[in-house]
Amino acid sequence: DAGVIQSPRHEVTEMGQEVTLRCKPISGHNSLFWYRQTMMRGLELLIYFNNNVPIDDSGMPEDRFSAKMPNASFSTLKIQPSEPRDSAVYFCASSFRAGGPRDTQYFGPGTRLTVL
Amino acid sequence: KQEVTQIPAALSVPEGENLVLNCSFTDSAIYNLQWFRQDPGKGLTSLLLIQSSQREQTSGRLNASLDKSSGRSTLYIAASQPGDSATYLCAVHSGNTGKLIFGQGTTLQVKP
Repeated sequence: DAGVIQSPRHEVTEMGQEVTLRCKPISGHNSLFWYRQTMMRGLELLIYFNNNVPIDDSGMPEDRFSAKMPNASFSTLKIQPSEPRDSAVYFCASSFRAGGPRDTQYFGPGTRLTVL
Repeated sequence: KQEVTQIPAALSVPEGENLVLNCSFTDSAIYNLQWFRQDPGKGLTSLLLIQSSQREQTSGRLNASLDKSSGRSTLYIAASQPGDSATYLCAVHSGNTGKLIFGQGTTLQVKP
């Protein structure tokens, strides 16, 4: 398996622009997670899905952020409008299921977002 | 609210040394605890997962222990090598949800 695939790997945009990050989870995994990593706050969970349904979005910082999972093999994280403080590395992860004691999360390589 | 702390934040050791990384958590009602490795500019790689009913897990030169009652876990690395240089993150899985709470990590440098 190719692992979790994220695109783009790097994104540089200007404040106010819309940004869309993409993720393809590992085939057969039923849970998908979006994380954000910054020097100040470390690694934070933004939202996660079980069987394509959003379960917990309490980590989404504000209404400018939205996430969708239209099918089991694709998810997007959208920021509209983007702001400089959104600059971070965004990771997508997947696992066979959320909540299982043996369920390791597998991380993608991340998207480094810079908002000027 | 679960909080995860890792000490030290950074560690530099000579090659061949055995070392211990520490992780503490405030709420002992955990499902499991995982140790991850992160190389610069890369994603996270899972190293070891300890279920709440287990005391330790081993993989090669790595050994992770878990003491739920005291809210602590350690990652022991034997005979360290320069290739072990990376950031090591501890994450706690609380309850039967998917949420992992991460520590800030320990950045390890192993000098040849």
